[in-house]
Amino acid sequence: GENVEQHPSTLSVQEGDSAVIKCTYSDSASNYFPWYKQELGKRPQLIIDIRSNVGEKKDQRIAVTLNKTAKHFSLHITETQPEDSAVYFCAAGYSTLTFGKGTMLLVSP
Amino acid sequence: NAGVTQTPKFQVLKTGQSMTLQCAQDMNHEYMSWYRQDPGMGLRLIHYSVGAGITDQGEVPNGYNVSRSTTEDFPLRLLSAAPSQTSVYFCASSPRTSGGSNEQFFGPGTRLTVL
Repeated sequence: GENVEQHPSTLSVQEGDSAVIKCTYSDSASNYFPWYKQELGKRPQLIIDIRSNVGEKKDQRIAVTLNKTAKHFSLHITETQPEDSAVYFCAAGYSTLTFGKGTMLLVSP
Repeated sequence: NAGVTQTPKFQVLKTGQSMTLQCAQDMNHEYMSWYRQDPGMGLRLIHYSVGAGITDQGEVPNGYNVSRSTTEDFPLRLLSAAPSQTSVYFCASSPRTSGGSNEQFFGPGTRLTVL
């Protein structure tokens, strides 16, 4: 089955800095790579996703890049704000999704 | 639309008790899934369904049963609760496409404690 590794497990940045979270996957059949944000006590919510036929996707301050050859994908958040503080999960799959273990992002004012 | 709803929000069980976690969606999604979330472990797939009458096991299915008699409902049954099943349970639904997975919409979760 699919195996997804996510790094780092925690990330602290100053407001205005950029943050990068990286994931690797093992199954070359995976074609869908979403990123979810989860605030404390809340449900995960999709912030951006990418399919295997696309190398990069951007939505305002958030971007995702995918390298199919190396089987890794990354989340980039620019101009971080305190409200970006949350746990971020990557996932990969085809018919079902396998999630990484999460990255706790803390943005300090 | 209510989206994905789950009941109850909180539940405390004693070891050996059984119970059903309810999940419903009103988006006419064909795919539904159950995940458990434990600290530091991310979301792990328990069971999933690709349509009414069709279910399959995920990564951690032991101790859980599911059924899918309608498109809207996907209950998760704990047969004999164990302390290891203490967790937060999320139900999710997604639309079916020919290209594989799609955005999963999560319910608010059920926090279960087994004593």
